[in-house]
Amino acid sequence: GAVVSQHPSRVICKSGTSVKIECRSLDFQATTMFWYRQFPKQSLMLMATSNEGSKATYEQGVEKDKFLINHASLTLSTLTVTSAHPEDSSFYICSASPSGLAGSDTQYFGPGTRLTVL
Amino acid sequence: DQQVKQNSPSLSVQEGRISILNCDYTNSMFDYFLWYKKYPAEGPTFLISISSIKDKNEDGRFTVFLNKSAKHLSLHIVPSQPGDSAVYFCAASSNAGGTSYGKLTFGQGTILTVHP
Repeated sequence: GAVVSQHPSRVICKSGTSVKIECRSLDFQATTMFWYRQFPKQSLMLMATSNEGSKATYEQGVEKDKFLINHASLTLSTLTVTSAHPEDSSFYICSASPSGLAGSDTQYFGPGTRLTVL
Repeated sequence: DQQVKQNSPSLSVQEGRISILNCDYTNSMFDYFLWYKKYPAEGPTFLISISSIKDKNEDGRFTVFLNKSAKHLSLHIVPSQPGDSAVYFCAASSNAGGTSYGKLTFGQGTILTVHP
């Protein structure tokens, strides 16, 4: 099956610094990637939809200047958490849809990135 | 506003018996529903899905039932196996005008434990 990777899997940073998380589709091209956030024992919340070559679409309540998304190629999307604060500590998960096969059941999820802001 | 709800945070089942996981939704625009399985510190893995034009979809040990009038869906696993122990999320999407295609709204998840 299709594989999506995320890097790093775990990151600890100081408050006020920025952290970049990479999401890669390893064996397929993805026009669309999604970024989710999951708090402990809670649901996955969609943060934004990342489209290759265009601006990301953010969900209501998500600060686009704080969570910068770049989808520069068909296999890579990055999420940068700028000026991170402890409340940004969470589990961030990306998913990718193969190009030409847009559909909910063809979303493949990455393993997630655990961000801890001290 | 929780549009997709899984009201049971956990479920414990004996190996070999049936596991029934439930999910309710409020948005009548949802037309596609999915179940995902998730282990700790991993991303969700797709299990099974159902379109709103159907009321049942079966794949091996997994069957999803959809009751549109009640805005309710359920996942049946039979027979349950210890390896099925994980968190199960239901998710829904809407293809309203093609603008939200692929966006998933997740429930809170249900922790399934299958005892040997």
